[in-house]
Amino acid sequence: ILNVEQSPQSLHVQEGDSTNFTCSFPSSNFYALHWYRWETAKSPEALFVMTLNGDEKKKGRISATLNTKEGYSYLYIKGSQPEDSATYLCASPFYNQGGKLIFGQGTELSVKP
Amino acid sequence: ETGVTQSPTHLIKTRGQQVTLRCSSQSGHNTVSWYQQALGQGPQFIFQYYREEENGRGNFPPRFSGLQFPNYSSELNVNALELDDSALYLCASSLTPGRDVLTGELFFGEGSRLTVL
Repeated sequence: ILNVEQSPQSLHVQEGDSTNFTCSFPSSNFYALHWYRWETAKSPEALFVMTLNGDEKKKGRISATLNTKEGYSYLYIKGSQPEDSATYLCASPFYNQGGKLIFGQGTELSVKP
Repeated sequence: ETGVTQSPTHLIKTRGQQVTLRCSSQSGHNTVSWYQQALGQGPQFIFQYYREEENGRGNFPPRFSGLQFPNYSSELNVNALELDDSALYLCASSLTPGRDVLTGELFFGEGSRLTVL
């Protein structure tokens, strides 16, 4: 069964805290790992697409790492701000699955001022 | 903004009815994918269209069907609506299918929220 799992399901932090969450995926037949940020009443927006084991990507205060051998990716947010409040989704397209992205259930982040 | 627009944004239907949801993809994108997001779950792949042909389908019954038009806009049709079809339906466009789409990001619309009573 092809399954992508995220933890935790939700997270509440104070402004200025750094935080991280996890995306787990099957390591066999890995092809790529996508991270999306989804703010309420908006559309999901791509943060990163990662393909190589050991990949690290950064966009402002947000960064991500990838371990394809053990099947996980971490998303880090340094110095969280209220505008970081959103649901963070990871997804993986599995090889030979016709362009199908398998999404995790998301981590809902709430940053309190 | 992603440039992907969906309509309608909200709608209410009753069991047994039929619904059509529409999506205009980002300019230059020839591939459209549809996802269903039920409450508390991540988006689930319904199907993908590339140059007016279906290019991959998820685990959804045949009453979920789609179309893509020459301008690459797309429709999702659901017949014989059931209560469990209540969900947010997301459309996503991308440049090309196949290997490229697997490493390129998707551009999503804001979704159409369907409630079936």
